[in-house]
Amino acid sequence: DVVMTQSPLSLPVTLGQPASISCRSSQSIVSGDGNTYLNWFQQRPGQSPRRLIYKISDRDSGVPDRFSGSGSGTDFTLKISRVEAEDVGVYYCLQGTHWPPTFGQGTKVEIK
Amino acid sequence: EVQLVESGGGLVQPGGSLRLSCAASGFTFSNHWMSWVRLAPGKGPEWVANIKKDGSERNHVDSVKGRFTVSRDNIKNSLYLQMDNLRAEDTAIYYCARGYSGDNLWGQGTLVTVSS
Repeated sequence: DVVMTQSPLSLPVTLGQPASISCRSSQSIVSGDGNTYLNWFQQRPGQSPRRLIYKISDRDSGVPDRFSGSGSGTDFTLKISRVEAEDVGVYYCLQGTHWPPTFGQGTKVEIK
Repeated sequence: EVQLVESGGGLVQPGGSLRLSCAASGFTFSNHWMSWVRLAPGKGPEWVANIKKDGSERNHVDSVKGRFTVSRDNIKNSLYLQMDNLRAEDTAIYYCARGYSGDNLWGQGTLVTVSS
């Protein structure tokens, strides 16, 4: 299975400040169709996971533009330009190129 | 309203069986791969299984192969997960999700507890 490694695992942030989460895959996750199926999910306390970003950098409908994704090859990043209180939760990267889809360990974002 | 609603979770003894259901509404169910994902206490999420639009292809993660079976009924707009020979380590919240690797539609989850 493809191993997805996230860092940091805990991220205390100040409201209004930027935050960045890194995700690295153990092998290439470029699909045969040329797409890289790297998604980012947010899970707020007591809620279901919510996809924020797909194919590295495409933002889902309704996701604030303070969230952005970037990267290529095996290294990917999720950035929050200005953290708001509603951003508290656990963030997961997921590769959907190879079976089974695999998540990173999760990064817990909390407010300082 | 576009939604997925899971049901069928509960408390079961080791070795027992459960059948989870996921009712889809508000979109063309038969146009989408569907998946089951679980989140165990203190662990990260794990992809359990997925199934192609017409049911012709199914995938199960190794840890459940031979014990769990994903299926669907495109007439009833429903996804199922038959879970047999349950183990303590199967205890988790089970989510139904649209897509091969999950898109922007997930259910609220149903809790499965395997304990004697």
